[in-house]
Amino acid sequence: KAGVTQTPRYLIKTRGQQVTLSCSPISGHRSVSWYQQTPGQGLQFLFEYFSETQRNKGNFPGRFSGRQFSNSRSEMNVSTLELGDSALYLCASRGVSYEQYFGPGTRLTVT
Amino acid sequence: GENVEQHPSTLSVQEGDSAVIKCTYSDSASNYFPWYKQELGKGPQLIIDIRSNVGEKKDQRIAVTLNKTAKHFSLHITETQPEDSAVYFCAASGHFGNEKLTFGTGTRLTIIP
Repeated sequence: KAGVTQTPRYLIKTRGQQVTLSCSPISGHRSVSWYQQTPGQGLQFLFEYFSETQRNKGNFPGRFSGRQFSNSRSEMNVSTLELGDSALYLCASRGVSYEQYFGPGTRLTVT
Repeated sequence: GENVEQHPSTLSVQEGDSAVIKCTYSDSASNYFPWYKQELGKGPQLIIDIRSNVGEKKDQRIAVTLNKTAKHFSLHITETQPEDSAVYFCAASGHFGNEKLTFGTGTRLTIIP
């Protein structure tokens, strides 16, 4: 089976802009979670989508949003980018069991 | 909410020796405890996990132990090899429908040849 794929792998944006990141889960997996990884805060949960519905949400401002499509692919959007949004954004895919499998991430740099 | 503490933050061991990384969690409702290995430029890779109804699990050179009473779990790597060098994260999550992972702060493991 192919693993979790994320596009793009690298992104440079300017403060105030918005960005959309994409994640394709493992075939057959219906749950997609997003995490932010920074040196200072570590790995933090953003939100989880299951069957196109947001099921859990972390403690991030409303500028962070996401959605999931009927084929389980997911996108996350960050509006009005701030310097502090520079991070590695990771997507994790889960099937019917507990195991979550991560993609390679999208490295976002905000200048 | 859940809080996961991980120690040590850095660990250097001689090749062939064993490495142990420890984590504690705060929420007694947590029932799933995975360990991830992250190499430079890559996403976290699931290496082993344990559920709350099991005390120990082993997979070749890697083992995880869980003490529910004390709320701590540990990763043991035996016969370490240079390719074991990476950052290791422990995590905890809850029951079905609340599977968000709360991560520890990571341990940078260096294997000295």
